[in-house]
Amino acid sequence: GAVVSQHPSRVICKSGTSVKIECRSLDFQATTMFWYRQFPKKSLMLMATSNEGSKATYEQGVEKDKFLINHASLTLSTLTVTSAHPEDSSFYICSAIGGLGGRAGEQFFGPGTRLTVL
Amino acid sequence: AQSVTQPDIHITVSEGASLELRCNYSYGATPYLFWYVQSPGQGLQLLLKYFSGDTLVQGIKGFEAEFKRSQSSFNLRKPSVHWSDAAEYFCAVGARNQGGKLIFGQGTELSVKP
Repeated sequence: GAVVSQHPSRVICKSGTSVKIECRSLDFQATTMFWYRQFPKKSLMLMATSNEGSKATYEQGVEKDKFLINHASLTLSTLTVTSAHPEDSSFYICSAIGGLGGRAGEQFFGPGTRLTVL
Repeated sequence: AQSVTQPDIHITVSEGASLELRCNYSYGATPYLFWYVQSPGQGLQLLLKYFSGDTLVQGIKGFEAEFKRSQSSFNLRKPSVHWSDAAEYFCAVGARNQGGKLIFGQGTELSVKP
């Protein structure tokens, strides 16, 4: 079964509003989570690395003030798209790496969140 | 620059036919190589991975891949494709000192004809 969940699976919002996407590791503690963005028929582009209890590390070209990442616990990371614009419409995917126990070192991907900004 | 290239955007094969999806990489360090499959509504699923050792790697669902350092390639193969294999396939590269960060190829969409 799924070991990483994302919520919501799809969201439609108006331009200028903010949207929060949650990524949860369901049966393991994730010391590190990644956020990717996927455009139609395109590759996954890494946006940022999220470590529990510390600030996220953003990839070059990703606006940290626009894409706010919070990794508040070992099982939850959130991505907030602030002041969303139509060009932010995309498929956002998270992944989580197990820290301890049976899933240590393994990386699991969430099912993704489809964001549409009108 | 680090990159992964999947030259084929879309491939169509007949059910029962063999399959090879190409992947070439450019990476400064010793690469860790992965193949993932993405189906609609599903998260990326790991098919197989190569870290070291035997360059022919067996994965799930009957897939295998061969690491060829001289060609910087990690092609995915399956001897007999099933209709359920239709999906998007991604090759990815990472490194031990990158903490799990992956660089993905553009993906290859596989269609299977009955």
